[in-house]
Amino acid sequence: GQSLEQPSEVTAVEGAIVQINCTYQTSGFYGLSWYQQHDGGAPTFLSYNGLDGLEETGRFSSFLSRSDSYGYLLLQELQMKDSASYFCAVSTNTDKLIFGTGTRLQVFP
Amino acid sequence: ETGVTQSPTHLIKTRGQQVTLRCSSQSGHNTVSWYQQALGQGPQFIFQYYREEENGRGNFPPRFSGLQFPNYSSELNVNALELDDSALYLCASSLAEDRGTGELFFGEGSRLTVL
Repeated sequence: GQSLEQPSEVTAVEGAIVQINCTYQTSGFYGLSWYQQHDGGAPTFLSYNGLDGLEETGRFSSFLSRSDSYGYLLLQELQMKDSASYFCAVSTNTDKLIFGTGTRLQVFP
Repeated sequence: ETGVTQSPTHLIKTRGQQVTLRCSSQSGHNTVSWYQQALGQGPQFIFQYYREEENGRGNFPPRFSGLQFPNYSSELNVNALELDDSALYLCASSLAEDRGTGELFFGEGSRLTVL
């Protein structure tokens, strides 16, 4: 079967750093994406890792280890507007995305 | 904003009815995917259309069907609605030539409630 696991909820304060982990089990793995979704909004693309290592995009970084079937999203200098749900998603050879159940991040002042 | 628009934004149906949801892709995108997102869950892949042909399907029964039109807009049809069909239905567009980047452009969804 295909499955992704990520923590259900994470809390942090403004200015802090938070890491959201994702482990996956799937066939036909191409890469790992991360999406952000605010309540009532559309999922928006944050990053993609097709190869092992770290990808940095501003305050957000994402990491992938294919041998460990593991990745994480790192959010730095947290802001209140970062409060949202974050989903890891596996890209497969069939070009569909398989999403995790999401991690709800709450940022407190 | 992604440029992907969906309609209607909210609708209420009763069990056994049929529903059609519509999606207008981002300009230039030739691939559209539909996802179902239940409350508190991640989006689940329903199917994908490329050049008006179904190009992959998730674990959904045949009463979920779709169409893609020559202008790349798309419809999702659900027949014989069940209570468990209550969810947010998301349309996502992409460019086939960008396949493998993991990036989809989602609309804000159609929230369906089945009573």
